[in-house]
Amino acid sequence: KQEVTQIPAALSVPEGENLVLNCSFTDSAIYNLQWFRQDPGKGLTSLLLIQSSQREQTSGRLNASLDKSSGRSTLYIAASQPGDSATYLCAVSSTGNQFYFGTGTSLTVIP
Amino acid sequence: DVKVTQSSRYLVKRTGEKVFLECVQDMDHENMFWYRQDPGLGLRLIYFSYDVKMKEKGDIPEGYSVSREKKERFSLILESASTNQTSMYLCASSIYLNSPLHFGNGTRLTVT
Repeated sequence: KQEVTQIPAALSVPEGENLVLNCSFTDSAIYNLQWFRQDPGKGLTSLLLIQSSQREQTSGRLNASLDKSSGRSTLYIAASQPGDSATYLCAVSSTGNQFYFGTGTSLTVIP
Repeated sequence: DVKVTQSSRYLVKRTGEKVFLECVQDMDHENMFWYRQDPGLGLRLIYFSYDVKMKEKGDIPEGYSVSREKKERFSLILESASTNQTSMYLCASSIYLNSPLHFGNGTRLTVT
């Protein structure tokens, strides 16, 4: 069974800083990997999806990379803002039927 | 934009009650999912459905059942609610398997 780990569990940075969130997974035979954002008490909002054949995806200030062979993905956030404060989750699809989720990194951007 | 709507944001039920959680999506997606989210455990898949009247168990189906009579609606049923089913329940949909997941806002269920 796929296991997904996100480290650190929490991160606090000053506004304007560039930052990297990490996601690792145990089975490199994946279909795709998706990054989500979750605000307190709310559902998940999809940020980026990377297919297994891709190395990276970009959306605005967000860039996600994928290295299947090492079982790692990173989410890079440029010029962080207080509105970026949320929990960020990664999820990996390795069977085609379901995604396996990490427990998330709680990000606080300090004004 | 895809809209996934969960009928209740908060529910409080008593032990032993039968509980229905409803989810509706408006984009004709084939696949629908029910997850529960608990602190330290992340999201865990309860059931998913890849077509009307079709369902498959996820990782933690015990104590739950589902119903999908129409393509847009996927219901999660707690046959006899127990306190260990207190959790945040999240519904999601996707157009194809391996397509991006779209989530509703969640239902926070408390069983007393």
